[in-house]
Amino acid sequence: AQSVTQLGSHVSVSEGALVLLRCNYSSSVPPYLFWYVQYPNQGLQLLLKYTSAATLVKGINGFEAEFKKSETSFHLTKPSAHMSDAAEYFCAVSGAGNTPLVFGKGTRLSVIA
Amino acid sequence: GAVVSQHPSWVICKSGTSVKIECRSLDFQATTMFWYRQFPKQSLMLMATSNEGSKATYEQGVEKDKFLINHASLTLSTLTVTSAHPEDSSFYICSARPHPLPGELGETQYFGPGTRLLVL
Repeated sequence: AQSVTQLGSHVSVSEGALVLLRCNYSSSVPPYLFWYVQYPNQGLQLLLKYTSAATLVKGINGFEAEFKKSETSFHLTKPSAHMSDAAEYFCAVSGAGNTPLVFGKGTRLSVIA
Repeated sequence: GAVVSQHPSWVICKSGTSVKIECRSLDFQATTMFWYRQFPKQSLMLMATSNEGSKATYEQGVEKDKFLINHASLTLSTLTVTSAHPEDSSFYICSARPHPLPGELGETQYFGPGTRLLVL
């Protein structure tokens, strides 16, 4: 069984400040991990993914995430927040093959000018 | 690349009617498509997994006869909400997983823009 826990349903940062969104996972098989972003009334856009290659993964819009097996974490970071980063962020896990994604509950990021 | 479309983007219908939502992968063939439901300010809940040419696999608690899924081709899956009622009002999102190219794992899902359903 797989599960994802996103710590903090709402994170607020100042424009230009570091963004840190936390994600911990549980998986009985080697996990594939994803971060998706959702803007209001839209679908999900893939930010980045971990698929057992490099543990530090760089994604779009300046985001990156580090896979830490010892901590079962896959936290999302961005050095400097922009107003356009305000959205809902979802961490998700899946296994190999045709297994579906299991999503966390999401973290709403607000960016304050 | 990897674009998924949904139609319609929003629909309002009367209670008791049926509504069909289409999900298309525009530039790739999708061996598997997934249907999710999302309530306001909540995460996505997987409803069913569909593979082209076979019956969909529904998650526990999802009524098969109410949410009919057809995956007729490698680029099209449809979700029909039959005899819709106000409690079926929600945001429905599909995703598609491409058939992996040689050397790829094919684990990534690409999401459609969603369909907002309001049942009066």
